[in-house]
Amino acid sequence: DTGVSQDPRHKITKRGQNVTFRCDPISEHNRLYWYRQTLGQGPEFLTYFQNEAQLEKSRLLSDRFSAERPKGSFSTLEIQRTEQGDSAMYLCATSLVGSTDTQYFGPGTRLTVL
Amino acid sequence: QKEVEQNSGPLSVPEGAIASLNCTYSDRGSQSFFWYRQYSGKSPELIMFIYSNGDKEDGRFTAQLNKASQYVSLLIRDSQPSDSATYLCAVNGNTGKLIFGQGTTLQVKP
Repeated sequence: DTGVSQDPRHKITKRGQNVTFRCDPISEHNRLYWYRQTLGQGPEFLTYFQNEAQLEKSRLLSDRFSAERPKGSFSTLEIQRTEQGDSAMYLCATSLVGSTDTQYFGPGTRLTVL
Repeated sequence: QKEVEQNSGPLSVPEGAIASLNCTYSDRGSQSFFWYRQYSGKSPELIMFIYSNGDKEDGRFTAQLNKASQYVSLLIRDSQPSDSATYLCAVNGNTGKLIFGQGTTLQVKP
C-alpha cells in the first residue's frame, strides 16, 4: 500500500452515463497525476496538478474528460457521456516535487462501459 | 517511433537465473528513469529509479543507464516465481509526466 487511495475500485456503467473517480494522495505530496491504462499497454498520461493548479493535459483528454483538485488535496476525474472506448484502468499517482519526483500509484479504478 | 520501447515478451527464465529487461527511449532530454512492476489486475509498483549513467543496485535488482545510447535496463538476480509480472520502463523529462513503454512480461519457471 503506497498511501494513495482511489475510489471506487471498480465501476460498471452504461454508455452515455457520467462517471466520477476520486484520488486521495499521500498527504505531503503536492503533485497528482492521472493515467489511463488499457490491456497490454503501459499507462498513458492524462493530466497532472501541482497543488490545485492543472499544469498539463494530454491531447488524449477529450472535452468529455475533466479533472479537478480544488484544495490541492484530493482530485476527481469525471468522464461525461461515456463511450465503450473509455473502458480502461484509471490510475492516480502522486509525488513530491523538489525531491526525486518519484511517482507512487494508487490501486486504480477499473471502468467498464457497457 | 514510440517514445519508450520495450520488448513485450514474454521473457521466460528458470528460477535462480538472471533476468535482463531492456528499454530504449527517444528523447535525449530525458532526465530520470523508472522501473515499475505490475502484477495482473494490479497497479504499477515502483522498483527502482536511476538518474546517472552507470549501475544502481538495490537488493536483487540492478538498474543500468546509458544516456549516450538512450538505453535503460533492469537486471533481476536469483529470479523467483514471485518475480513473474510485467515490468514497465518509464521516462521522465522536465515536464513531470511519465512516458511508459508497453511493458515486458517476465515468466520465472520453477
